[in-house]
Amino acid sequence: AQSVTQLDSQVPVFEEAPVELRCNYSSSVSVYLFWYVQYPNQGLQLLLKYLSGSTLVKGINGFEAEFNKSQTSFHLRKPSVHISDTAEYFCAVSEFTGGGNKLTFGTGTQLKVEL
Amino acid sequence: DAGVIQSPRHEVTEMGQEVTLRCKPISGHNSLFWYRQTMMRGLELLIYFNNNVPIDDSGMPEDRFSAKMPNASFSTLKIQPSEPRDSAVYFCASTRLGNEQFFGPGTRLTVL
Repeated sequence: AQSVTQLDSQVPVFEEAPVELRCNYSSSVSVYLFWYVQYPNQGLQLLLKYLSGSTLVKGINGFEAEFNKSQTSFHLRKPSVHISDTAEYFCAVSEFTGGGNKLTFGTGTQLKVEL
Repeated sequence: DAGVIQSPRHEVTEMGQEVTLRCKPISGHNSLFWYRQTMMRGLELLIYFNNNVPIDDSGMPEDRFSAKMPNASFSTLKIQPSEPRDSAVYFCASTRLGNEQFFGPGTRLTVL
């Protein structure tokens, strides 16, 4: 069975500073990896995804993530955060099953950007 | 595209009442997922459908919960009878070809 670990439940950071949100996964087969963002009182929105190919994936709002198979990690980074990036971020993994793939989500990391 | 549509957006009911949550997936998507989000348990997958057929309902907490997908454009999640511990935000998501899931805005359920 697949699982996702987000070790940091909260990450405070000052505006314009860089940030990294950590995600590790476990799976016995090939996986797809995703980062979603949830703003207050809203649904989840896809930030970026890794399906195959280049291990460095760029997403919306200046975020990027790197797939590291040997370390089973998919950390999310942004070189300079903005107040509007304050939100909860979820890492998710999906195993390819040939049908509708269910996602397993991590517990989320609350990013709080301060002035 | 209108995205995934959920109704109602907010529901307040009393313990013991029946609650029905509705979801309209994105046109052309063939998989639909129901999730529940709470502070204590985070985001939990309740059930998902492929081509209107329930594939995995292992996340449905109890027999009080049931879900149906009578056609490709509509699904319901029903709780009967509802209890205060069912209070949560319920999300519906849909996908095509099993890649990224598109989430609806959620239904915030409060059971008094």
